[in-house]
Amino acid sequence: DVKVTQSSRYLVKRTGEKVFLECVQDMDHENMFWYRQDPGLGLRLIYFSYDVKMKEKGDIPEGYSVSREKKERFSLILESASTNQTSMYLCASSPGGENYNEQFFGPGTRLTVL
Amino acid sequence: RKEVEQDPGPFNVPEGATVAFNCTYSNSASQSFFWYRQDCRKEPKLLMSVYSSGNEDGRFTAQLNRASQYISLLIRDSKLSDSATYLCAVNSGFKTIFGAGTRLFVKA
Repeated sequence: DVKVTQSSRYLVKRTGEKVFLECVQDMDHENMFWYRQDPGLGLRLIYFSYDVKMKEKGDIPEGYSVSREKKERFSLILESASTNQTSMYLCASSPGGENYNEQFFGPGTRLTVL
Repeated sequence: RKEVEQDPGPFNVPEGATVAFNCTYSNSASQSFFWYRQDCRKEPKLLMSVYSSGNEDGRFTAQLNRASQYISLLIRDSKLSDSATYLCAVNSGFKTIFGAGTRLFVKA
């Protein structure tokens, strides 16, 4: 069974703090993704990575950065958290290649920025 | 216009009913299509892939209409346990675009 784990289920941070969200997958997947999910807006892609040390911007990368030093780990960084980054953050992974692969999601991190 | 659009619902149906969801997409170069299910406060999980020829898995049938750029999901004989949010997803290259989801409530 594919397992994608995220470092925290719930996180509360203050405006201006640097925030690290960690994601680990145990199935040797090449592709990893970070999304945020907000009511009425669905899942929006922040960044994705198709290989170690590779990263690509998604639809809403502003205010975020990512790191993929090892194949199994993909980190999302909020350089200076703001209240509009309060959201549910979901990490996902999929096998290598384009197109037809399903994504496996972690349980999510609900981040609140005060 | 959003790249992938779904009717947000909610759909409220009695047990045993047949319910259908549609999802439209704007990128004609999209290559693969999926339906995910998301339970309350849980992560999305793949329900089924959608193939050009249409595919069926038990009570669930998915269809793709490339000419009109939509995919559909039909649920027959609805069960209480089908209550969830259903997300359509469309792949173009490495990128997957998800719809905002359609909420389904099945009532006894």
